[in-house]
Amino acid sequence: DAGVIQSPRHEVTEMGQEVTLRCKPISGHNSLFWYRQTMMRGLELLIYFNNNVPIDDSGMPEDRFSAKMPNASFSTLKIQPSEPRDSAVYFCASRTRTSGRSTDTQYFGPGTRLTVL
Amino acid sequence: AQTVTQSQPEMSVQEAETVTLSCTYDTSESDYYLFWYKQPPSRQMILVIRQEAYKQQNATENRFSVNFQKAAKSFSLKISDSQLGDAAMYFCAYNRARDMRFGAGTRLTVKP
Repeated sequence: DAGVIQSPRHEVTEMGQEVTLRCKPISGHNSLFWYRQTMMRGLELLIYFNNNVPIDDSGMPEDRFSAKMPNASFSTLKIQPSEPRDSAVYFCASRTRTSGRSTDTQYFGPGTRLTVL
Repeated sequence: AQTVTQSQPEMSVQEAETVTLSCTYDTSESDYYLFWYKQPPSRQMILVIRQEAYKQQNATENRFSVNFQKAAKSFSLKISDSQLGDAAMYFCAYNRARDMRFGAGTRLTVKP
């Protein structure tokens, strides 16, 4: 299995530009998570999809952030317009939801390092 | 809100020695999962070990083991026979359903 795939690995953009981060979860996984990691705030859950449906987006910092999952094998996180404070590493993770128990292990992608100048 | 606390920002261990990383958490739930993730300089988040709260037996994975104290809400990670490749940030995580929270991390240095 290829694991969770994220692209691009690095993104440098200028303030005000639109940024789109992409994620391909592990085949067969039905839950997908987007996280942001910064030195100041650590790892923060931004949004969580289950069976392609957004379940909890309470972690999305503001309306400039949006996420979609059009099918089971692809998700995007978009920032429009981007700001310097959005600079961080963005991780995507996926898992299989096992019935009868509350959760299963999340497997992370390699992350996208975003720099907004 | 559930919180995860790692009280040791940095730890150091001599190669081949044993080190224990601490983690405490706050929850009112009885059924949940706990994890330790490793993040090397490559920044990849790698699962080290996991513990299901309904299991009393402590999880082990080769040189890695946990001391899970449910009543005390404590979940420490023990690394035996430390290797240079163990040097990384280690994150403790709590998960129940959609609630996934991470500690601030412990940076482990392994001295040759």
